[in-house]
This record gives sequence, structure tokens and C-alpha cells, in this order.
Amino acid sequence: DAKTTQPTSMDCAEGRAANLPCNHSTISGNEYVYWYRQIHSQGPQYIIHGLKNNETNEMASLIITEDRKSSTLILPHATLRDTAVYYCIVRSPTGANSKLTFGKGITLSVRP
Amino acid sequence: NAGVMQNPRHLVRRRGQEARLRCSPMKGHSHVYWYRQLPEEGLKFMVYLQKENIIDESGMPKERFSAEFPKEGPSILRIQQVVRGDSAAYFCASSPSGRSAINNSPLHFGNGTRLTVT
Repeated sequence: DAKTTQPTSMDCAEGRAANLPCNHSTISGNEYVYWYRQIHSQGPQYIIHGLKNNETNEMASLIITEDRKSSTLILPHATLRDTAVYYCIVRSPTGANSKLTFGKGITLSVRP
Repeated sequence: NAGVMQNPRHLVRRRGQEARLRCSPMKGHSHVYWYRQLPEEGLKFMVYLQKENIIDESGMPKERFSAEFPKEGPSILRIQQVVRGDSAAYFCASSPSGRSAINNSPLHFGNGTRLTVT
């Protein structure tokens, strides 16, 4: 079972920042927060992951609260191509528990 | 850099036939994961393999499904005597081993095989 909760859907205007929230109140100390997205029927695409510190890459930023019970994925300038289902996943680093367990995700719709 | 390659992209089988789905991981990756996505549903974990070993098969149906990842060649997901309920998209993901795995490297997914059972 997924260990995260996300809103079902949200939308944002093209060019604006999209802030996608995620709750993971039962996260363990060695578990990472991962974000993936799935555009239409393509394979899931890795976006970003983090443990404690905020992270940024060319796609997005990940803000993790100090208590690690929630996080926010930020797409700084959303485009129409960012319309997708976004999955927030808590992952154990090693062993048999290192698989990703997908929940329902949040459907982001970017409007022109 | 080639990503995770899955073939075929589309596969049509009649009920009772066998389906073989192939997955070539990214170069240097020795961990493979298989997922299934039924129409209009989420991604469900099936099996996690390392070279020549099954690590976690907790998501595999007990009958008709098997997976392998031999020392040489791609990983194979095999479905025997397919039924209409097996129609789905099957995704494979890979991740590296060794030191990079300790740093929690992400899984990278292929674009899937869409199986249709008629």
C-alpha cells in the first residue's frame, strides 16, 4: 500500500508555478521521497527525489518539511506538456523493500 | 545513452496462447522491476529481479506468470495461457547496482508493452 496521500487533481495556468503537495506522515528515517510522472500512457518518468534536504534539478524542486511528514513538488514554469499524473512515493533504499509502490497520484492539468 | 528498452511495444494474443515480454535494462543496470497497469488503473508492482535471482515476487499472480533475468540477455516476463483479464500495459524499470544503489538511485522505466488478449 502507498504510504502517501495526494489530492486527486489540480490545475494551473501555463507559465505559472505548479505546487503539488504530498503527505507522508509515517515515513521512516531512512526512506526517501520520490516523484514520478506519467504522461498519457507512456512509462513513468523520474522527476526528483530527496531524503531531508530540499533538492532542485532541471525539471523541478522538491521541498521537504523539517519533520519530513510532507513535501511539495514545484514545477517553476508549467507548460502544457507538464499535464500528467504525478506520483509521490516513499521508498526504502535497499533490499526487497526498494521497489516503488504507486498510489493514485495527482492529475495536474495545465491550462493555456 | 539508451534507456530501458521493452519489446514488443504492442502484442496481440488469443486466449490460451503464451505471451513473452522482453526488457533490456539500461547499460550498467543489474536490477529489474516489472509493473502492470490495467486500463484506467494505477501501476502495480509484480516482481523485482537481480541477475539470475528473484528478490521479490510478492506482486506476481500465483499461476501462469513467471519472470527471469538471466546472466546474459534481457529480462523476460512470461504469461502462459493468457486470458482477457491479462490485457494491460506491462512496464519494466531498471536501476544500477553497487555503489550508486547505496545512494538510492532512481528506477528508470521503459515505455511498456501493451498486451491485448482477444
